[in-house]
Amino acid sequence: DTGVSQDPRHKITKRGQNVTFRCDPISEHNRLYWYRQTLGQGPEFLTYFQNEAQLEKSRLLSDRFSAERPKGSFSTLEIQRTEQGDSAMYLCASSRYYRKTSPNYGYTFGSGTRLTVV
Amino acid sequence: LAKTTQPISMDSYEGQEVNITCSHNNIATNDYITWYQQFPSQGPRFIIQGYKTKVTNEVASLFIPADRKSSTLSLPRVSLSDTAVYYCLVGLYNFNKFYFGSGTKLNVKP
Repeated sequence: DTGVSQDPRHKITKRGQNVTFRCDPISEHNRLYWYRQTLGQGPEFLTYFQNEAQLEKSRLLSDRFSAERPKGSFSTLEIQRTEQGDSAMYLCASSRYYRKTSPNYGYTFGSGTRLTVV
Repeated sequence: LAKTTQPISMDSYEGQEVNITCSHNNIATNDYITWYQQFPSQGPRFIIQGYKTKVTNEVASLFIPADRKSSTLSLPRVSLSDTAVYYCLVGLYNFNKFYFGSGTKLNVKP
C-alpha cells in the first residue's frame, strides 16, 4: 500500500484548455474525495464517491468540472475550458466507510496536483 | 457543515509544549473532532480524532471539555519539523465532507 497517488503533481495549461487529473486511492478504501485548495486557505470540498457512485457535489463544482470513478477504483477530475481562477492545488483523499454508526478515522490525502492556468 | 475558529498563527520554540485551541460552538451530537497537519505542497495528514474527554496517541493529545464546544490539540516538545498548518475539523460520524477553515500556522523556532 503506497497511499493515495495523484498524477500529475504539477500541470501548467493555457486558459481555455481542458485538463484531467487522476487519483489512485488506497486499494481497500471505498470512499474517494476531491478537494481544492488555494494559497493560504484550507481545502474546500468538491465532491465524493462511494464505490463508483458520486454521492455529493459542491456548488463549487461548476458545469466545467466533471469527476468520474469507473469501477470504483481510480478517479479522474476533468476541468474543461480552464480559467485563471481554476489555478489551485487539487487534492484527492480516500477513506474506508464501514456502516452508518461507525466512526470514520479520517481521510488519507494524496500530495495533490498543482494546476496553474496561464 | 459545522464551522470552527482557530488562531491564525502561533509561534513556539523547540522543546516547548504547544496547545492549539479550536472553537466549535455549533458542534452536533454525532460530530467527531479531528485534527490534521499540512506541510507546504503536501496534502493534509491525519493527526488525532476524538469525541469527548481526552485522547492521546504517539503524536499528540486532544482535550475535549464536557460541553464539546471547544477542543485543544497538544503537541509535546515540538521540533522544527512540526512547523506546519494545523486544521481542526468537526464532522459527522460518516465524514462525507469536512469544512477546513484557514487553520493555524504554527512556526517553531530554534
